[in-house]
Amino acid sequence: EDQVTQSPEALRLQEGESSSLNCSYTVSGLRGLFWYRQDPGKGPEFLFTLYSAGEEKEKERLKATLTKKESFLHITAPKPEDSATYLCAVSSSNTGKLIFGQGTTLQVKP
Amino acid sequence: TAGITQAPTSQILAAGRSMTLRCTQDMRHNAMYWYRQDLGLGLRLIHYSNTAGTTGKGEVPDGYSVSRANTDDFPLTLASAVPSQTSVYFCASSVGQGTGELFFGEGSRLTVL
Repeated sequence: EDQVTQSPEALRLQEGESSSLNCSYTVSGLRGLFWYRQDPGKGPEFLFTLYSAGEEKEKERLKATLTKKESFLHITAPKPEDSATYLCAVSSSNTGKLIFGQGTTLQVKP
Repeated sequence: TAGITQAPTSQILAAGRSMTLRCTQDMRHNAMYWYRQDLGLGLRLIHYSNTAGTTGKGEVPDGYSVSRANTDDFPLTLASAVPSQTSVYFCASSVGQGTGELFFGEGSRLTVL
């Protein structure tokens, strides 16, 4: 069964304190792994797509990496505006549908 | 551009009543989706449509129906609401089927009493 698990559930950081969010997955044929950001009361917003192990993508203070079993979202020197819930999703080659993890809620304090 | 527009933003509904959540996109995307988001369960796919005139069942389709008469509109209907359908509902679209880059609406918060 295709499955996505994110950890930790919640993360509190001080401004400038770098850290990483984890997304572990099991899927029958990975078509792609996707990261989204969701602000309170809003819909998810697409961030990155990763297709194969070893691939990396960057956007401002965020960098996403991918291995055969997991993905990391590295946050370098975060700012309070980076506070949000970060969602990971995978698409399998069998179904083509997205399976979402439960998310990591990040709070960055000034 | 507006992207995905959902209505209503929130609604309180008596159990047993019917309700249609509206979703309109202005991006001319082929694929559209309905998800529900519940605390502890994440986003779960209810129904999807790969192109106008076709629909398919997702992970949790029971109690819901959809139609896709044209490219832009993808309404979700609850024929007889039950309290377990209390949730936040998100409509999304993508250029084509199988892509993971989805564009989401702002959500419709539904409470069934």
